[in-house]
Amino acid sequence: TQLLEQSPQFLSIQEGENLTVYCNSSSVFSSLQWYRQEPGEGPVLLVTVVTGGEVKKLKRLTFQFGDARKDSSLHITAAQPGDTGLYLCAGVRETSGSRLTFGEGTQLTVNP
Amino acid sequence: GAVVSQHPSRVICKSGTSVKIECRSLDFQATTMFWYRQFPKQSLMLMATSNEGSKATYEQGVEKDKFLINHASLTLSTLTVTSAHPEDSSFYICSARVGTVTNTGELFFGEGSRLTVL
Repeated sequence: TQLLEQSPQFLSIQEGENLTVYCNSSSVFSSLQWYRQEPGEGPVLLVTVVTGGEVKKLKRLTFQFGDARKDSSLHITAAQPGDTGLYLCAGVRETSGSRLTFGEGTQLTVNP
Repeated sequence: GAVVSQHPSRVICKSGTSVKIECRSLDFQATTMFWYRQFPKQSLMLMATSNEGSKATYEQGVEKDKFLINHASLTLSTLTVTSAHPEDSSFYICSARVGTVTNTGELFFGEGSRLTVL
């Protein structure tokens, strides 16, 4: 079973629409990160959340860490074609030291 | 953010040959680096943890004799795919963590290396 379940796995939307990607687990995480990866490149860190209930905004992207630190969400407002890419959540479980666990990823396609 | 550089970005080799991929931390010292393998439109699969000055720690199912890892300095780790076969074709990515093991776990990734074995 996947420690971090990410959904949806694939998402294809029109420019201007809003979307939310979810990252869920039964484990508690001391921190959680979101990465974005474009084809043929390495993932790029978008944000780190560490406090339960924390909300961080990065332009049109809003990241939330669940109160119990078991889940997180990424919301994109008015998506643009440039948002297309693979979005990955990853976290450090409280019981795993510094080991990073990745979700399965969400492949987002924003059509013009 | 911190910069991690990987080389080569693309490599094509014949079956049976060995290929070396380099991962360098350009503006910080990395005691630990990580090597991942990624299939198209899938997430990253951790292959091994590379520790400076000591042996790498391999994940279950990863052949240590097949994927040789050397971390001889605080800024360089190498992955050598030995006797490569077509099934080894993949996107290999390295990463490094800035700071101590007690930090938030953020990783900075290299650009990735696309290996194609003919």
